[in-house]
Formats: sequence, C-alpha cells, structure tokens
Amino acid sequence: DAGVTQSPTHLIKTRGQQVTLRCSPISGHKSVSWYQQVLGQGPQFIFQYYEKEERGRGNFPDRFSARQFPNYSSELNVNALLLGDSALYLCASSLGGVRTGELFFGEGSRLTVL
Amino acid sequence: SQQGEEDPQALSIQEGENATMNCSYKTSINNLQWYRQNSGRGLVHLILIRSNEREKHSGRLRVTLDTSKKSSSLLITASRAADTASYFCATDFLSTSGTYKYIFGTGTRLKVLA
Repeated sequence: DAGVTQSPTHLIKTRGQQVTLRCSPISGHKSVSWYQQVLGQGPQFIFQYYEKEERGRGNFPDRFSARQFPNYSSELNVNALLLGDSALYLCASSLGGVRTGELFFGEGSRLTVL
Repeated sequence: SQQGEEDPQALSIQEGENATMNCSYKTSINNLQWYRQNSGRGLVHLILIRSNEREKHSGRLRVTLDTSKKSSSLLITASRAADTASYFCATDFLSTSGTYKYIFGTGTRLKVLA
C-alpha cells in the first residue's frame, strides 16, 4: 500500500512568489495535516483538515492557506514568499481527526526561498 | 511557548548502551506520541501512550508518562547505529479556537557510535 505522497520533493522560489504543495494521504485516511519544519527545530502545526473541513489552524499568517479535495488529497498554498518560509513542509494523514491516533508522514517538500 | 521540550538536545552513546530522552509539556493531554526522524526526512511513528497509561513497551522501546509532572521519557535499550536519528514527542493541544492540534517538541538528536 502506498504511504503518504508529497510533491514536489524539492523546489526553489524567489521572494514574493507563490507556491503550491500537494499531498495524497494513505487510502482510507480522511484527515490531512500540514507542518512546517525549519532546520534544527520540531515540526510546527499549520493546518488540519478532516472530511474536507478545516479543523485546526496554527499560528501562521494568512499567506498560508490549504484545502482538502473530495478524494481527501490536499494542497498547501503559500503566497508572497519570504526568506523565512524556507523549510521542510510535511504532510501527515490519519484515520480520524486529532486525538484519534498516530500520524503517518510523507517525506516532505523542501522549499528554498531566495 | 506551547511546545513541548525534549532533553537532552543531543545525545551521543556507544552501540549497545541505553538511550533515555525526556519530554515535558505544558497542558493536559489525551495522548502523547514519540516519533523518529532520519536526517530531514519524514517522521515515523514509534509509540503512543494515552493519558491513563503509565508505561508502554514496544520492542526495544519503553515509554513512561507522568501526567502529574507533565513529562514523558523514551528509553531505547541496546542501541544500534541504525537508531541514529532525531526523536520528537508530540502532544495533542486544545487551542483557544476550540480545535485540537499536535504540538511537537524541539527534539533530541541521538547519535549511536559503532
């Protein structure tokens, strides 16, 4: 069975540009969450979607947005990129919402903003 | 900060020795999880312990939870070079908006020397 897949794996953008990251959850998982991990730190929660509805949002500016599609895949969009947005963006899927069990992570999308 | 904290930040041991990592958190929880991350890749779930449990084992892993002290420890016995990785604890957190999210700690970087 395929695990959580993320695309692209690496990308380079310049300040002010926009980026879209994609995530496909494990088959049967209805929840997707997004995390930002800056080098040397733990993952920081950005969003959680469950059954296509936003169920949680972290302390990130409105430049960050996300959505979940009917097939439970998800996209994370970041507008007006800043140098500080350079990070590993991780997607995780789970069977249910938060508090229901383990998260299954993809390998991440490494974003570099120049 | 709402984030949990692990200590030590870094740990270097010889193969065959035991490794102990600690995690402290700030709010009441439903469960606490430990994850492993190899060098900038996705996180892998190791073990989940619920708030009404005090100890849990999985292979060479032993996790304890002390909710009165808001702390947990992860013990890896008979460590191997392949255990070299960063280890994170994650707790579910109820935000002021009424939604739950997982908060990851700052991580312990474990190096096992062959």
